[in-house]
Amino acid sequence: AQTVTQSQPEMSVQEAETVTLSCTYDTSESDYYLFWYKQPPSRQMILVIRQEAYKQQNATENRFSVNFQKAAKSFSLKISDSQLGDAAMYFCAYRSAVSETSGSRLTFGEGTQLTVNP
Amino acid sequence: GAVVSQHPSRVICKSGTSVKIECRSLDFQATTMFWYRQFPKKSLMLMATSNEGSKATYEQGVEKDKFLINHASLTLSTLTVTSAHPEDSSFYICSARRHGLNEQFFGPGTRLTVL
Repeated sequence: AQTVTQSQPEMSVQEAETVTLSCTYDTSESDYYLFWYKQPPSRQMILVIRQEAYKQQNATENRFSVNFQKAAKSFSLKISDSQLGDAAMYFCAYRSAVSETSGSRLTFGEGTQLTVNP
Repeated sequence: GAVVSQHPSRVICKSGTSVKIECRSLDFQATTMFWYRQFPKKSLMLMATSNEGSKATYEQGVEKDKFLINHASLTLSTLTVTSAHPEDSSFYICSARRHGLNEQFFGPGTRLTVL
């Protein structure tokens, strides 16, 4: 079974600064997807960024980028130029690419609560 | 596109009653829907996976007779908490997967409080 670990329960960053959230995972599969979701106080889950394991290039979405290290099974999220609206709980998630075995289920980490200080 | 709604957003009920929560994909057909439970400041815990027209697959430890899931159409899944008790109080979130896409789209969640 796959597991996802987020070792930082809480992180804080100054507005306009950069912060990196850590995520490691364990799997025996070679093809899979990794995600970062944001859950603000409204509790609505919002997809931040997605990475396909077969792609070597790290995904980027505006101020959000990942450092995907497949061999190390590490998938960190970097938020540049942090804004007050970035304050939220961030979840790292794993999904197998083999839907027959997993039903496309997501496995979530425990989350990192990010505070952005003005 | 890819909007998922949940109804109600908040419900308070007495112990022993049953509560139904609806999850709808508004602008796409969802071949698979997922139901999660989330406790305060905790992660999402998958309860069950439902495919349209077939029985739901429940995660280990989730009572099938307690949490009834129906996925009767490609745009609607329902979760019924039967004979609810205070320990069932939680935040319930659904998500829907569109066939051929590799991501899930989440509903806004339903806060259930059982008195």
